[in-house]
Amino acid sequence: EDKVVQSPLSLVVHEGDTVTLNCSYEVTNFRSLLWYKQEKKAPTFLFMLTSSGIEKKSGRLSSILDKKELFSILNITATQTGDSAIYLCAVANGTIQGAQKLVFGQGTRLTINP
Amino acid sequence: EAGVAQSPRYKIIEKRQSVAFWCNPISGHATLYWYQQILGQGPKLLIQFQNNGVVDDSQLPKDRFSAERLKGVDSTLKIQPAKLEDSAVYLCASSPFFYRGNYGYTFGSGTRLTVV
Repeated sequence: EDKVVQSPLSLVVHEGDTVTLNCSYEVTNFRSLLWYKQEKKAPTFLFMLTSSGIEKKSGRLSSILDKKELFSILNITATQTGDSAIYLCAVANGTIQGAQKLVFGQGTRLTINP
Repeated sequence: EAGVAQSPRYKIIEKRQSVAFWCNPISGHATLYWYQQILGQGPKLLIQFQNNGVVDDSQLPKDRFSAERLKGVDSTLKIQPAKLEDSAVYLCASSPFFYRGNYGYTFGSGTRLTVV
């Protein structure tokens, strides 16, 4: 059975701290790994990773994938209260090009205190 | 482009009642997904459509849940009869058939269902 596990499940830090969120996976027919931010209801896309060792960056957020060890990390530097959210890791798998599905982890609830 | 539209935003029903959710995907997106997200958990795929055909419904509780996607566009998800454990946010997402982008799927705002 495909599985995506995130850690920690919950994290509380102070504004300005740097955080690292972890995601490990065991899936068949791996296509890509995605990170989402969920503040209210709809997850919003952050990154998609397909190749090992290539860091993706967007402002204070960055992520990297290790396909040999089957994990990814999401880093957030100089955290702000607006970064408070649930961060979801998902792996896209599929055997038919274009008909992929996402398997989600349970999420990490990040709280940034002022 | 317009996003994925879902309605209603909220629904409260008593157990054993029935309920239906509606989703309108992004225009031209062939693949449509329904996810169930229980509080404190990540979204779980219920059903995946490719145009109006079902690709994967292995995690859909078929004794009470049903879904259809007429004409390969809008989709409805129905629960009949509802149980307390069906309380969750129901998310709809869509993606193009020939997935080439680096943007992942687009999710709707979801429907929060409370069964009392």
